[in-house]
Amino acid sequence: DTAVSQTPKYLVTQMGNDKSIKCEQNLGHDTMYWYKQDSKKFLKIMFSYNNKELIINETVPNRFSPKSPDKAHLNLHINSLELGDSAVYFCASSPRDPGELFFGEGSRLTVL
Amino acid sequence: KNEVEQSPQNLTAQEGEFITINCSYSVGISALHWLQQHPGGGIVSLFMLSSGKKKHGRLIATINIQEKHSSLHITASHPRDSAVYICAVNYFGNEKLTFGTGTRLTIIP
Repeated sequence: DTAVSQTPKYLVTQMGNDKSIKCEQNLGHDTMYWYKQDSKKFLKIMFSYNNKELIINETVPNRFSPKSPDKAHLNLHINSLELGDSAVYFCASSPRDPGELFFGEGSRLTVL
Repeated sequence: KNEVEQSPQNLTAQEGEFITINCSYSVGISALHWLQQHPGGGIVSLFMLSSGKKKHGRLIATINIQEKHSSLHITASHPRDSAVYICAVNYFGNEKLTFGTGTRLTIIP
């Protein structure tokens, strides 16, 4: 069983579209994160949730909206996609904050 | 200016060599992480430490709180160790994880 799973793994879409990336963890962790890895492979946190509550919201455009229906899921919805949104998005979970991180496989988003 | 500095940026070594990757940060931290990202893209947490030293197999991580410096060592390096190694820290009072730019390690057989 995959501990942290993201879907889809690859997503190619047109500018202006709305898309979602889903993340689920079966580790019983309280904290979940979304990270963005740009073309230079630099990682940056986007959001952090603890037990379904938003803890960290970095300077991310309003077009990005995380949703946590329960503590095992943290989905990322992106409206009006732009070319600059092309990146790999990683979901991660942790038993506590700060704590050891468990990453999903990443979702590569390409905006054309 | 990135608050977490790693060196070297790129490292190529022969199989069997002892590898050291360095990480420096600027102010007090609650934790430091070493992560490994393989060419396939997946990220794995290697260590999380706040003091002293940790060892797992051929990997050793050390941290010097006074000097604000950590090192990741790989003994008896192997081509499968080829990956990008990323240092990240949780700063006190700002618990979001701040990442270094990574060190690309290539081990030649």
